[in-house]
Amino acid sequence: NAGVTQTPKFQVLKTGQSMTLQCAQDMNHEYMSWYRQDPGMGLRLIHYSVGAGITDQGEVPNGYNVSRSTTEDFPLRLLSAAPSQTSVYFCASRRDQQMPLHFGNGTRLTVT
Amino acid sequence: LAKTTQPISMDSYEGQEVNITCSHNNIATNDYITWYQQFPSQGPRFIIQGYKTKVTNEVASLFIPADRKSSTLSLPRVSLSDTAVYYCLVEKRTGRRALTFGSGTRLQVQP
Repeated sequence: NAGVTQTPKFQVLKTGQSMTLQCAQDMNHEYMSWYRQDPGMGLRLIHYSVGAGITDQGEVPNGYNVSRSTTEDFPLRLLSAAPSQTSVYFCASRRDQQMPLHFGNGTRLTVT
Repeated sequence: LAKTTQPISMDSYEGQEVNITCSHNNIATNDYITWYQQFPSQGPRFIIQGYKTKVTNEVASLFIPADRKSSTLSLPRVSLSDTAVYYCLVEKRTGRRALTFGSGTRLQVQP
């Protein structure tokens, strides 16, 4: 099993550009979630999904959209990138809410 | 959401026991505590989780006092490969997601 795969590993955007961060898992996990990690801060929850077709907002959802059309994939969309969205983004999955999170290796995003 | 506080950094030597404490004064009744380890350019990796008292697995122990306002991750006999950042997570396990990661403790293990 590959676990949780995130692409791309690095991305540079100009302010106002849009892009999609990809996340895929092959563990048949129902729960998937996106976090951002900024220097000196812990990970903060952006959006999460408890199954295909179901998404909800986390702590810092503004500026990000998500959808969950399949169990395997949970893309994160930035519609109009801003410098404040410069961060490292992590995707995670888990079998259910009682189990630990499995994280991908992150996407480092820079918005200039 | 529970607010969590961890030391920014700690230093140790190989073979020593390391204890990292996370404060979570306003933890809720249904919140669980989990610790993760993170190496550079990687995602966090699960170490241990618990609700109260003591939990032990093959790599660490987790001590949670009766009032649950703090938790201590104990790493026995650390090695150079334990150099990493350690995060505590306080998480509501039922209903709508609510969680707080600590800001992380950077552990440096020296020979």
